[in-house]
Amino acid sequence: NAGVTQTPKFRVLKTGQSMTLLCAQDMNHEYMYWYRQDPGMGLRLIHYSVGEGTTAKGEVPDGYNVSRLKKQNFLLGLESAAPSQTSVYFCASSYLGGQPQHFGDGTRLSIL
Amino acid sequence: EDQVTQSPEALRLQEGESSSLNCSYTVSGLRGLFWYRQDPGKGPEFLFTLYSAGEEKEKERLKATLTKKESFLHITAPKPEDSATYLCAVPTYRDDKIIFGKGTRLHILP
Repeated sequence: NAGVTQTPKFRVLKTGQSMTLLCAQDMNHEYMYWYRQDPGMGLRLIHYSVGEGTTAKGEVPDGYNVSRLKKQNFLLGLESAAPSQTSVYFCASSYLGGQPQHFGDGTRLSIL
Repeated sequence: EDQVTQSPEALRLQEGESSSLNCSYTVSGLRGLFWYRQDPGKGPEFLFTLYSAGEEKEKERLKATLTKKESFLHITAPKPEDSATYLCAVPTYRDDKIIFGKGTRLHILP
């Protein structure tokens, strides 16, 4: 039982490049979340999904897009990367909203 | 506005020196309060859920307590392996989100 798996673990991009971060969970959870974690800022919600085919904006959605085509996967896309998007990105899932979330180990992304 | 504030930001203790971490919250209708542990380079790991004032949960050297305005994470006779960042979080009342505090970085010196 892997829980929440994030790929890749590390990535370096140049400004303007695009990429997709993948999150996969094997716990049959309905809800999935993308956060970014920056020093002194804590965890900030980017986008989330309450079920397959749904997405919703969080606290800091600008510059990111998401898709949830399958229940077990939640993708985070950066269309045109900016240095301000350098961060550690965490995916989390929960069975229902408002319940404890289970986290992956993060993707460390640097934008040069 | 729903809010979670943790203090102190950082805490250094000698091995065996007990202390407490604080999490104060403001939320319309408490649906639970969560404590997590985060090790460097890892994602947050769920520790406890507390649902009502007066409730307590224990795990090894950790004990979490809850009042109507705050929660405490008591660490008794800590060991170096207890060094980590401890996060507190509460679900919002109106929607499906969880608000996280910024955490307390705990360092236990051998």
